Amino acid sequence: DVKVTQSSRYLVKRTGEKVFLECVQDMDHENMFWYRQDPGLGLRLIYFSYDVKMKEKGDIPEGYSVSREKKERFSLILESASTNQTSMYLCASRTGVGSTEAFFGQGTRLTVV
Amino acid sequence: GEDVEQSLFLSVREGDSSVINCTYTDSSSTYLYWYKQEPGAGLQLLTYIFSNMDMKQDQRLTVLLNKKDKHLSLRIADTQTGDSAIYFCAESRNSGYSTLTFGKGTMLLVSP
Repeated sequence: DVKVTQSSRYLVKRTGEKVFLECVQDMDHENMFWYRQDPGLGLRLIYFSYDVKMKEKGDIPEGYSVSREKKERFSLILESASTNQTSMYLCASRTGVGSTEAFFGQGTRLTVV
Repeated sequence: GEDVEQSLFLSVREGDSSVINCTYTDSSSTYLYWYKQEPGAGLQLLTYIFSNMDMKQDQRLTVLLNKKDKHLSLRIADTQTGDSAIYFCAESRNSGYSTLTFGKGTMLLVSP
């Protein structure tokens, strides 16, 4: 059974903290993605990676960075958390050329207070 | 850039058919998807269609694609209360590095 696992379902962090959201996939997928989901705004792409140590900015990268040291793991980093980063964060992965389905993790609901 | 639009809310009675509509702007879209999100969960792929197809049927689900108008629809026959969820339309190109662009999601509420 394919699996994308996000390390936390719920997180509460303080303003200014450095926050790490971890995502691991067991399908040997090349591509991995981080989205945030907000009511009325749908899913917006933050960053994606198409290979180890490669990263590309999505539509809303400001305030975030990512790390992909190993193929199976893609981390989203909030350098200094702010209240406007309170959101649901979704990680996804898919294969490379010719791929169809993207598999999603369960999501991490982050609250910044 | 690419844009995907869908209505935000649909309410139907159990047993009726539901039709969720989506429009997209990227004429290079190769794959078009419907994802379902139940409360508190991630997204689950329901079905997808290649851009060279007009229709795809999978049990209670029928996807219609009008490529000329860049219009995609999802029909759910005999809608059940368990179908209540948010449904996302998404598109991507045929590229190993391509991303998925999602609509804002349509909340489907099925009442008994």
